[in-house]
Amino acid sequence: EIVLTQSPATLSGSPGERATLSCRASQSVGSNLAWYQQKPGQAPRLLISGASNRATGIPARFSGSGSGTEFTLTISSLQSEDFAVYFCQQYYNWLLFTFGPGTKVDI
Amino acid sequence: QVQLQESGPGLVKPSETLSLTCTVSGGSIGSYYWSWIRQPPGKGLQWIGYLYYGGSTNYNPSLKSRVTISVDTSKNQVSLKLSSVTAADTAVYYCARGMGDFDHWGQGTLVTVSS
Repeated sequence: EIVLTQSPATLSGSPGERATLSCRASQSVGSNLAWYQQKPGQAPRLLISGASNRATGIPARFSGSGSGTEFTLTISSLQSEDFAVYFCQQYYNWLLFTFGPGTKVDI
Repeated sequence: QVQLQESGPGLVKPSETLSLTCTVSGGSIGSYYWSWIRQPPGKGLQWIGYLYYGGSTNYNPSLKSRVTISVDTSKNQVSLKLSSVTAADTAVYYCARGMGDFDHWGQGTLVTVSS
């Protein structure tokens, strides 16, 4: 099983600030990594796939980078609607997809 | 715009079988993979399994002995059955489109396992 670790567990920020979230895989997943945003009471929403490709309708302030075992999600300028939990997910191992534990972005 | 809607009992007794249906609207089930993912209250996400519209499946090894995912293309529905449930199966269950990254999700349905 490929284990994903996310840091920090909680990130406190203010509107307008830059936020950097990290995801580390226990083995290489190439670029087979996605990022999701989840708000309370809602389903996750796909933000990034292929480590760096924004999904349809996702604002340009969200960007993803990395490959292999180290990945980053950057929010260039936090907006009030960005305060949520962010999960990374690997799909390199198509027999067992796994998610990270999440990073909560709050004020 | 594709929309997914989960439905099924919100309460299941221990040792019984959990059964949920995902109805897809605004698009066809054809040519896509469909997955089930769950999230225990206040916890992270666990992938349960996926099905290709043609019927091939793949399940999380930790759940494989208890899970069945099936499709009814005539109704544009994907179904999940999880047998011999325990309290540890209490979660919000989501259906989602995809077998790698999941680009469309249902709103989720909470299933509580309790007598």
